[in-house]
Amino acid sequence: AQTVTQSQPEMSVQEAETVTLSCTYDTSESNYYLFWYKQPPSRQMILVIRQEAYKQQNATENRFSVNFQKAAKSFSLKISDSQLGDTAMYFCAFRGGYQKVTFGTGTKLQVIP
Amino acid sequence: DTGVSQDPRHKITKRGQNVTFRCDPISEHNRLYWYRQTLGQGPEFLTYFQNEAQLEKSRLLSDRFSAERPKGSFSTLEIQRTEQGDSAMYLCASSLDGQSNEKLFFGSGTQLSVL
Repeated sequence: AQTVTQSQPEMSVQEAETVTLSCTYDTSESNYYLFWYKQPPSRQMILVIRQEAYKQQNATENRFSVNFQKAAKSFSLKISDSQLGDTAMYFCAFRGGYQKVTFGTGTKLQVIP
Repeated sequence: DTGVSQDPRHKITKRGQNVTFRCDPISEHNRLYWYRQTLGQGPEFLTYFQNEAQLEKSRLLSDRFSAERPKGSFSTLEIQRTEQGDSAMYLCASSLDGQSNEKLFFGSGTQLSVL
């Protein structure tokens, strides 16, 4: 079974600064997909960024980028130029093949003005 | 707005009662997922459907839980003989089929409180 581990329950960052959220996962599969989802206080979850394991290039979406280390099974999220609207729970997620999506326990990020 | 909708948003019930939640996915989406989330935790997988077929059900799910998606459109999640431990947010998500990197679209959830 796949597991996703987020070891930082809470983090804070000053507005305009950069923060990195950590995620590790465990799988025996070679082809899989990784995601970061954001859940603001209103609680509707939305996709932030995704990465295919077969791609060596790290995904980037505007201020959001990932550091994907396949051998280490690590998938961290970097948020640059943090904004107040980035305050949310962030969940790392894993999907192998056409299976279900498995989520980590989340990191609560607070952006401080 | 044609996003994922869930009804009701909140449900308060007494222990032992049955409850049913509804999820309407985005109309062209073939896959529909149910997750449960408790405060401060990540979403826990319950079950998912490909059209009307239920493809997987969590082994952690007791037989008090049942889900249906009779015509491959909306889905219902029923909990029989509710227990206090069932109190949680129940999230529904949908996605298009065919892409393993597919994005999940989530509803706002149904918050269940069992007294």
